[in-house]
Amino acid sequence: AQKVTQAQTEISVVEKEDVTLDCVYETRDTTYYLFWYKQPPSGELVFLIRRNSFDEQNEISGRYSWNFQKSTSSFNFTITASQVVDSAVYFCALSRNNAGNMLTFGGGTRLMVKP
Amino acid sequence: GAGVSQSPSNKVTEKGKDVELRCDPISGHTALYWYRQRLGQGLEFLIYFQGNSAPDKSGLPSDRFSAERTGESVSTLTIQRTQQEDSAVYLCASSLPPGLAGNNEQFFGPGTRLTVL
Repeated sequence: AQKVTQAQTEISVVEKEDVTLDCVYETRDTTYYLFWYKQPPSGELVFLIRRNSFDEQNEISGRYSWNFQKSTSSFNFTITASQVVDSAVYFCALSRNNAGNMLTFGGGTRLMVKP
Repeated sequence: GAGVSQSPSNKVTEKGKDVELRCDPISGHTALYWYRQRLGQGLEFLIYFQGNSAPDKSGLPSDRFSAERTGESVSTLTIQRTQQEDSAVYLCASSLPPGLAGNNEQFFGPGTRLTVL
């Protein structure tokens, strides 16, 4: 069985602070994919990143960065210099390889960035 | 191009009535997924279609829930004899077929908010 845990249900920061959202996963598969999605107040999920289990290189995209560590089964997401527009619920998700691709989601972390 | 669309955006119904939710995937996306999101929670997988067949229905919560898909296009999720616990946002997503390297990102629709009174 697969499981994704986002222990932080809610985080509040002041604009320009850095913030890290934690994600820990469980799977018995050796090949799998990890994702982060953003759900702004409008409700529509926005894809942020996809990472396969063989690629442990950290990735940076503008103010966003991701730290994938297989040894601790974690795929954490950091926003640098947060902005009010970053306020949203962020979901970490896991899918198996070539097995229908359905996503197992964590419970989400609500990020509130205050001006 | 157009994204995933869902209708209706909101549906209020009385307990015991049947409802039908519709999803139009992105053109060319043969894989289609239904998820349910209860208030303040993460998404739960319901069913997956590859083309018009459903290899995985494991997430459907009860036999009151069913779904079908016409070809590689529109899908409908039907909930019969709705209960209050069915109240949630139902999200549809589509993707290129699993197995194509680098292409199993799912694109989500805006969802249908279902309220059962």
